[in-house]
Amino acid sequence: DTAVSQTPKYLVTQMGNDKSIKCEQNLGHDTMYWYKQDSKKFLKIMFSYNNKELIINETVPNRFSPKSPDKAHLNLHINSLELGDSAVYFCASSRTGSTNTGELFFGEGSRLTVL
Amino acid sequence: AQTVTQSQPEMSVQEAETVTLSCTYDTSESDYYLFWYKQPPSRQMILVIRQEAYKQQNATENRFSVNFQKAAKSFSLKISDSQLGDAAMYFCACRNRDDKIIFGKGTRLHILP
Repeated sequence: DTAVSQTPKYLVTQMGNDKSIKCEQNLGHDTMYWYKQDSKKFLKIMFSYNNKELIINETVPNRFSPKSPDKAHLNLHINSLELGDSAVYFCASSRTGSTNTGELFFGEGSRLTVL
Repeated sequence: AQTVTQSQPEMSVQEAETVTLSCTYDTSESDYYLFWYKQPPSRQMILVIRQEAYKQQNATENRFSVNFQKAAKSFSLKISDSQLGDAAMYFCACRNRDDKIIFGKGTRLHILP
């Protein structure tokens, strides 16, 4: 059973297109995240949701719109894709509150290539 | 806001030897977590070890151990008896309780046969 799963794993698209990446976790966690890993392997947080509510938005362009239909799902929609959006996007989840052990559980990543 | 610094972009170690990866961090909180994650070529992010700041004892997981120096804000990872499968990017990370995790820029570890 995959704990945090992302689809698709690979995505190749043209500049200007709109694309979505889906994420689901079956760990019962309250908080989910999107991280972007650039070509230099730098991991930077983009968004965080707790129980469907946006709690972190790290000055990401508004072409990126996360959506959390329930606490087990966090999707990322990207409009008008640009070359600089090419990266690996990681979904992650964690516990919060008294059961929080701190660590993130990551999906396998989705490699987005914009041509 | 937290910051995490890994000063070694790349390191190499002979198989079966011991290597230490360095990490320093900064946070204004007293309650936080520290982590080392491993990212092999498969790109999966794997938790190697975690440390809660209030615990003085250094965390250990089999061949992996940390040297946690709270006053110096230092959190180094020691890998003993290095194996070929240890070759990966290693990320140090810091999380204030119930806050985002901030990652360092990573250290690429090469294992020489």
